[in-house]
Amino acid sequence: DAGITQSPRYKITETGRQVTLMCHQTWSHSYMFWYRQDLGHGLRLIYYSAAADITDKGEVPDGYVVSRSKTENFPLTLESATRSQTSVYFCASSAGTGGNEQFFGPGTRLTVL
Amino acid sequence: AQSVTQLGSHVSVSEGALVLLRCNYSSSVPPYLFWYVQYPNQGLQLLLKYTSAATLVKGINGFEAEFKKSETSFHLTKPSAHMSDAAEYFCAVSALNTGGGNKLTFGTGTQLKVEL
Repeated sequence: DAGITQSPRYKITETGRQVTLMCHQTWSHSYMFWYRQDLGHGLRLIYYSAAADITDKGEVPDGYVVSRSKTENFPLTLESATRSQTSVYFCASSAGTGGNEQFFGPGTRLTVL
Repeated sequence: AQSVTQLGSHVSVSEGALVLLRCNYSSSVPPYLFWYVQYPNQGLQLLLKYTSAATLVKGINGFEAEFKKSETSFHLTKPSAHMSDAAEYFCAVSALNTGGGNKLTFGTGTQLKVEL
């Protein structure tokens, strides 16, 4: 299917475990982004990528790791999950800079017990 | 640095009434401004965007927004609310030449409730 997909849609894990959230887009967009959404904070940028093998930190990167070996995939890994990382995570992609729209995936709801 | 303030985390209107959702931004360079809508358990969908062309921007579902530089505002309006407009609305800003593509800074969102 064309578009941007995320998996899993729902995940429950325990404190200290490693978790990887997957993001895949079929448009060959250069830019990809990871956000977390929390009540009272809106969406906050965790990491972004301008192209394969180019990534950079956003506003709240601590505790997260990303990679981008292929243009279409941008996985987000929580190396040792904490309760404060319970959130809804959104992946997005964009064709270019400036006024280009970001297209969002459906989100992954992560609960850390 | 850039930031967005959305006044009112919850707004309630009657069906058929005017919808007004407020957004003020700050940006050290000319901004690009966006309004996104989020329906329950879904991702964000673009409603409209301002990219330095016309200051009055029309979007989907009858929404529009006006860029007012003097007021640093980009308020979202719709003349007549429909039940299907009930959702959360996010204003976002990005700026030219910030690197990293169009990194967006989001407001905290406004939950719109439409009552019969």
